[in-house]
Amino acid sequence: EAGVVQSPRYKIIEKKQPVAFWCNPISGHNTLYWYRQNLGQGPELLIRYENEEAVDDSQLPKDRFSAERLKGVDSTLKIQPAELGDSAVYLCASSPARLSNEQYFGPGTRLTVT
Amino acid sequence: GEDVEQSLFLSVREGDSSVINCTYTDSSSTYLYWYKQEPGAGLQLLTYIFSNMDMKQDQRLTVLLNKKDKHLSLRIADTQTGDSAIYFCAERFTSGTYKYIFGTGTRLKVLA
Repeated sequence: EAGVVQSPRYKIIEKKQPVAFWCNPISGHNTLYWYRQNLGQGPELLIRYENEEAVDDSQLPKDRFSAERLKGVDSTLKIQPAELGDSAVYLCASSPARLSNEQYFGPGTRLTVT
Repeated sequence: GEDVEQSLFLSVREGDSSVINCTYTDSSSTYLYWYKQEPGAGLQLLTYIFSNMDMKQDQRLTVLLNKKDKHLSLRIADTQTGDSAIYFCAERFTSGTYKYIFGTGTRLKVLA
């Protein structure tokens, strides 16, 4: 069974440019997470979806970040415009259900903003 | 408050035991987790413990929880070079947001 798939794996952009990340969770997983991992730090939650509903987006900088999970499967995270401080690894994770202890991470997208 | 702390580095010799420590501050968390991250990869769940347990053993891994001191540890027996990675502990709230809070990670280096 395929794990969590993310693309692209790496992205280099200039500041003020837009960027988008895509995530395909494990089939059948209702819960999807987007995290940001800064260098030398643990992941920090940006947004959590239960099916297509965003149920926790309190840490998402809504002035420049947006996310969607149409049809409750794939998800896209967008940054527009990107800033130098957005350089990080963006991780997607999925879980069978909200209360499940099983959380599976994708390999992440490493974003470098120059 | 929400804060999970770990020491940054640990170096051990192959075959020895490794003990990675973690402290957390929020007593309302119910589950505590250990994840492993290898270079260029996402996090992999190793094990987790419910807060009413003191210990959990899973093959070479032993998790100890001291709820009074809010201290969690992961012991890896017979550490191998393949265990070299960054280890994250995390706590999770099972009410409200069900949010995970991760520590800063401990980089384990296993010397042959």
